[in-house]
Amino acid sequence: DQQVKQNSPSLSVQEGRISILNCDYTNSMFDYFLWYKKYPAEGPTFLISISSIKDKNEDGRFTVFLNKSAKHLSLHIVPSQPGDSAVYFCAASAQGSQGNLIFGKGTKLSVKP
Amino acid sequence: ETGVTQSPTHLIKTRGQQVTLRCSSQSGHNTVSWYQQALGQGPQFIFQYYREEENGRGNFPPRFSGLQFPNYSSELNVNALELDDSALYLCASSNRDGSYNEQFFGPGTRLTVL
Repeated sequence: DQQVKQNSPSLSVQEGRISILNCDYTNSMFDYFLWYKKYPAEGPTFLISISSIKDKNEDGRFTVFLNKSAKHLSLHIVPSQPGDSAVYFCAASAQGSQGNLIFGKGTKLSVKP
Repeated sequence: ETGVTQSPTHLIKTRGQQVTLRCSSQSGHNTVSWYQQALGQGPQFIFQYYREEENGRGNFPPRFSGLQFPNYSSELNVNALELDDSALYLCASSNRDGSYNEQFFGPGTRLTVL
């Protein structure tokens, strides 16, 4: 029973264009969401987070949107760069869970020059 | 600022053996969480240590155990290894202050059980 779902295993985008990575969740107790990027042979690197009291958070080229009614969040990368090619994980946490992060299976993003 | 480090990088064990993995938390962090990442999956929460005590546990059997030391470093011990324990084991540190905070991951230990 997957509580965090990333339904697209892979995504290919041209350099300079927008990358949109999607994530759905089922647990209504989740109130904090994070995106991590992972290169091969490295641990996940924190990218950006959003609390459920917000619907948007922006950091440079990265923006996360949260739609609580749809239990959906998305990560937008604009403009995409070849160095953004990696596996992106969506993760969620619920208050009182001691920071236990529930991860999706990841989406592999390929940005082509 | 020193990041999260893990040792060893790779490890090969046989079924039934025991293994200990080590993690040094990022400077200034007091909480360590361990995750198991199987091939093609996202990381799965094993447990978290705060103030040298287990503080939350995922759906893993008791043969997965851990320790946290006064310097906030941590160990993950797995007894009676099974083939399905083959995975990347990730350690993440954070500074628990009662609110949400981001976890910062180490590079992981790749465990292969034969």
